[in-house]
Amino acid sequence: GAVVSQHPSWVICKSGTSVKIECRSLDFQATTMFWYRQFPKQSLMLMATSNEGSKATYEQGVEKDKFLINHASLTLSTLTVTSAHPEDSSFYICSAIQVNEQFFGPGTRLTVL
Amino acid sequence: TQLLEQSPQFLSIQEGENLTVYCNSSSVFSSLQWYRQEPGEGPVLLVTVVTGGEVKKLKRLTFQFGDARKDSSLHITAAQPGDTGLYLCAGYNAGNMLTFGGGTRLMVKP
Repeated sequence: GAVVSQHPSWVICKSGTSVKIECRSLDFQATTMFWYRQFPKQSLMLMATSNEGSKATYEQGVEKDKFLINHASLTLSTLTVTSAHPEDSSFYICSAIQVNEQFFGPGTRLTVL
Repeated sequence: TQLLEQSPQFLSIQEGENLTVYCNSSSVFSSLQWYRQEPGEGPVLLVTVVTGGEVKKLKRLTFQFGDARKDSSLHITAAQPGDTGLYLCAGYNAGNMLTFGGGTRLMVKP
């Protein structure tokens, strides 16, 4: 199956700093990628849909100015958590579509101190 | 927003026991998927069911899609410690958006 990678796997940062998370489709091109957030012992919640060459579509309640998404190429989408706060600590997972199937990355665990 | 409710939320059983996880919604889904997720990793697709009433088997796992395509179940026979994990159902709606259920955390004790 298709492979999606994320970098970094985990990151610890101070409150107020910005953190960039990368999502790459390694062996296929993805015009659409998705960003999910998962809090401990909870399910995945869709944050936004990332579209190559256009603006991302954000789910209700997700601040677009806080979670900046850039899908500059067919194999890379980035999520930047700006001015991170402890409540942004979570497991961030991306996915990419290939032939009508979503393939998920391994996730990035963000801890904001 | 289409909601998927999973039950139970948590299940702790002994090795060798059988179990069933349910995924229910008031909405119709064009297809429904089951994923398994281990701590610190992304979810891994187990199966996709498309046709109402469809039953799929994956070794000791049996997946069923309801006739009305609003619900699904996952049955595990003779559970093993390696089955421990978070099981997620997810459905595609007409807009091709994937919605996840709340998850069922399974622990199988040796």
